[in-house]
Amino acid sequence: NAGVMQNPRHLVRRRGQEARLRCSPMKGHSHVYWYRQLPEEGLKFMVYLQKENIIDESGMPKERFSAEFPKEGPSILRIQQVVRGDSAAYFCASSPGLAGDGGYEQYFGPGTRLTVT
Amino acid sequence: AQSVAQPEDQVNVAEGNPLTVKCTYSVSGNPYLFWYVQYPNRGLQFLLKYITGDNLVKGSYGFEAEFNKSQTSFHLKKPSALVSDSALYFCAVNVGALNFGKGTSLLVTP
Repeated sequence: NAGVMQNPRHLVRRRGQEARLRCSPMKGHSHVYWYRQLPEEGLKFMVYLQKENIIDESGMPKERFSAEFPKEGPSILRIQQVVRGDSAAYFCASSPGLAGDGGYEQYFGPGTRLTVT
Repeated sequence: AQSVAQPEDQVNVAEGNPLTVKCTYSVSGNPYLFWYVQYPNRGLQFLLKYITGDNLVKGSYGFEAEFNKSQTSFHLKKPSALVSDSALYFCAVNVGALNFGKGTSLLVTP
């Protein structure tokens, strides 16, 4: 059973370009979470999605960032007009059940390391 | 707000000695607490969780954690540390998504 897959593993973008990060959850998981890890810091929650729905986007910057999890295909985290401060590791996680139930652990992908030059 | 705190940025321990990585929580209601480990340039790996029941939770790689309600703590422990345990350890509370502590770097020296 493949784990959470993320691609690309490394992404370099120039300021002003768009970055698209992809996440395929574990088989059977319909809940996806995106986190950002800045250098020397812990992980910060960005957004929680189920298929075709955004459940909680309270951690997402109001501008330039968007996320989707379509009925078919991977979840996408999109960053428009990237700036140097967007350079970070972006991790996706998935779980089999409703996060609010509390008992489900999340399984993490290897991350995408975004570098903005 | 539901949160966890890891008071130590780094913990150093000699191989073979017991280790403790501290975590305290601030949660209203019943907490769902987790420990994850992150190796360099890797994603997080789940170690263990406390939902309810026994206060001593056993997890992967010989790790365990003790839930202490009176001290609002959930410290991670291992009786005998290995050099390969050297990594970044995160405590987290489930608030829908996971709310992580800032992490503790564990260094086990030979």
